[in-house]
Amino acid sequence: QQQVKQSPQSLIVQKGGISIINCAYENTAFDYFPWYQQFPGKGPALLIAIRPDVSEKKEGRFTISFNKSAKQFSLHIMDSQPGDSATYFCAAMGNTGFQKLVFGTGTRLLVSP
Amino acid sequence: DAGVIQSPRHEVTEMGQEVTLRCKPISGHDYLFWYRQTMMRGLELLIYFNNNVPIDDSGMPEDRFSAKMPNASFSTLKIQPSEPRDSAVYFCASSLYTTDTQYFGPGTRLTVL
Repeated sequence: QQQVKQSPQSLIVQKGGISIINCAYENTAFDYFPWYQQFPGKGPALLIAIRPDVSEKKEGRFTISFNKSAKQFSLHIMDSQPGDSATYFCAAMGNTGFQKLVFGTGTRLLVSP
Repeated sequence: DAGVIQSPRHEVTEMGQEVTLRCKPISGHDYLFWYRQTMMRGLELLIYFNNNVPIDDSGMPEDRFSAKMPNASFSTLKIQPSEPRDSAVYFCASSLYTTDTQYFGPGTRLTVL
């Protein structure tokens, strides 16, 4: 119940296209859903995050869509650029007990020029 | 601020040797996290500290692993004795609160031969 399932494992998108990464969770106590971006040789860095009181959050070309009833959330990257090529991790955290981030398995995104 | 600092960046050792990884969190952050990243298991939380006190060590794989935080600006993760299956990238992260952004260090790539 602590898992966050992420798909796809890898994704190739042409420059200018839309990249979509999906995550699903079971634990209804999760109430914080961040997305992290990781470049090779670097640590993950927070990209954007959402709480379940809103269904969408947009920051520049990056948008999180959140469906509370389906227990799913997704990252959309509009106008994808080669510089967006990285591994993306969704994560979730609950609001009770030991509050720790549970990460998805990651999606390796390649944006072709 | 310099961000989270980890050392060494790379460590190659032989099976059975003791390995010590070091971390300096961002000044003022009350939470410190140790993660392990592998291709097979993704990002796993090993242990986290609040105000230098270990709060949750349920992710520590076995007794060969130990972590300490003697003061607010320094933490160590020790593996003794090391085994080839410990080969991974180990990240340290820190945050103001558990629900706040976690800032990751650059990681230590450990190879146990």
